[in-house]
Amino acid sequence: DTGVSQNPRHKITKRGQNVTFRCDPISEHNRLYWYRQTLGQGPEFLTYFQNEAQLEKSRLLSDRFSAERPKGSFSTLEIQRTEQGDSAMYLCASSLSSEGFGETQYFGPGTRLLVL
Amino acid sequence: GDSVTQMEGPVTLSEEAFLTINCTYTATGYPSLFWYVQYPGEGLQLLLKATKADDKGSNKGFEATYRKETTSFHLEKGSVQVSDSAVYFCALKERSGGGADGLTFGKGTHLIIQP
Repeated sequence: DTGVSQNPRHKITKRGQNVTFRCDPISEHNRLYWYRQTLGQGPEFLTYFQNEAQLEKSRLLSDRFSAERPKGSFSTLEIQRTEQGDSAMYLCASSLSSEGFGETQYFGPGTRLLVL
Repeated sequence: GDSVTQMEGPVTLSEEAFLTINCTYTATGYPSLFWYVQYPGEGLQLLLKATKADDKGSNKGFEATYRKETTSFHLEKGSVQVSDSAVYFCALKERSGGGADGLTFGKGTHLIIQP
């Protein structure tokens, strides 16, 4: 299967711990996005990469959040010193910039984070 | 900033009923518009999209027309099935590079189809 994959699917951690999530995009896609979704809400944009360059970061992405995409392939999202308010589903999506303005973003299954 | 407003759910219909889910948007530029669907236990997937005014997106019997004059992108289906039960998200993506290039989503509308 060549869809977007995310690991782990679930993560339970204690407040103050660091967590790292991984996203593997569709192999030929050069754009990769991170979103956060809380219960009853739509996904909210966090950040995006074109190849290995991080081109945009939302104001939702506090200093405790960092994302990388080494070599323009997989990406990691790290949250340091987790807080209970970080509990959410973290979604990754990938797309092809050559599609133009109407590019389709393909979403992974998400990583559900619970901070106790 | 950009925003998307959808009708609140849950929306409960009987099988074969006509469906409309309203979506209106506010955007600084000229966005592309999308409907995504999330079936129970599955990830978000694109249902349909439109990239310019008066374009109609369609898929699986669903349709939506990009109405620039009313800033709307309402989702319709003539005859719903139980298998259409899901959460539907309206979303937009700005064309210009001035803002974030991520999608801006509405809160989602939970659709329940009863046999």
